[in-house]
Amino acid sequence: QQPVQSPQAVILREGEDAVINCSSSKALYSVHWYRQKHGEAPVFLMILLKGGEQKGHDKISASFNEKKQQSSLYLTASQLSYSGTYFCGTDDSGTYKYIFGTGTRLKVLA
Amino acid sequence: DGGITQSPKYLFRKEGQNVTLSCEQNLNHDAMYWYRQDPGQGLRLIYYSQIVNDFQKGDIAEGYSVSREKKESFPLTVTSAQKNPTAFYLCASSRQTIFEAFFGQGTRLTVV
Repeated sequence: QQPVQSPQAVILREGEDAVINCSSSKALYSVHWYRQKHGEAPVFLMILLKGGEQKGHDKISASFNEKKQQSSLYLTASQLSYSGTYFCGTDDSGTYKYIFGTGTRLKVLA
Repeated sequence: DGGITQSPKYLFRKEGQNVTLSCEQNLNHDAMYWYRQDPGQGLRLIYYSQIVNDFQKGDIAEGYSVSREKKESFPLTVTSAQKNPTAFYLCASSRQTIFEAFFGQGTRLTVV
């Protein structure tokens, strides 16, 4: 079963912050985040391997709460280039079956 | 340069015909994956392969078939049994130990 992401869509003004959540009904062993521009392939952002781990990438960071089976992606001071669809992904029950979440469409306006 | 190549970029198929989508990688990755993406929807796993000559069904394998005869290649055949094949298809590869996926540019299949 796909991880569920929320919100489904969000519109921001440049400079505003956003949080995207990813929740799984199964145990999470790792979480990875991707961004996809319209009509293009998804691009890897980051991977989180440990419960409670946090990572940052420029003004984009993420947290992973293993106990709650959740991960969150934080976009700070958003830029126009942040627009796209964000996906979380995980290995289904610790196997090599890698599945993606339902996706969150993010649009940043000038 | 290392990467993953999908071809063709656009493909049109008549109903009732089988069609094969190509996916080649030169990243020396063991694992390869096929995903389907419908407008406004997430990525759904069709098939995946961890090693040569072995592959497993994903969540939506019905109407699709794959082969993994070489490490570099993982072609996907969309058969006439697939009821609604029009979609964007993405191939990905990764190291086996840590899933950091590299995606191809995708093939947009349209049934006419």
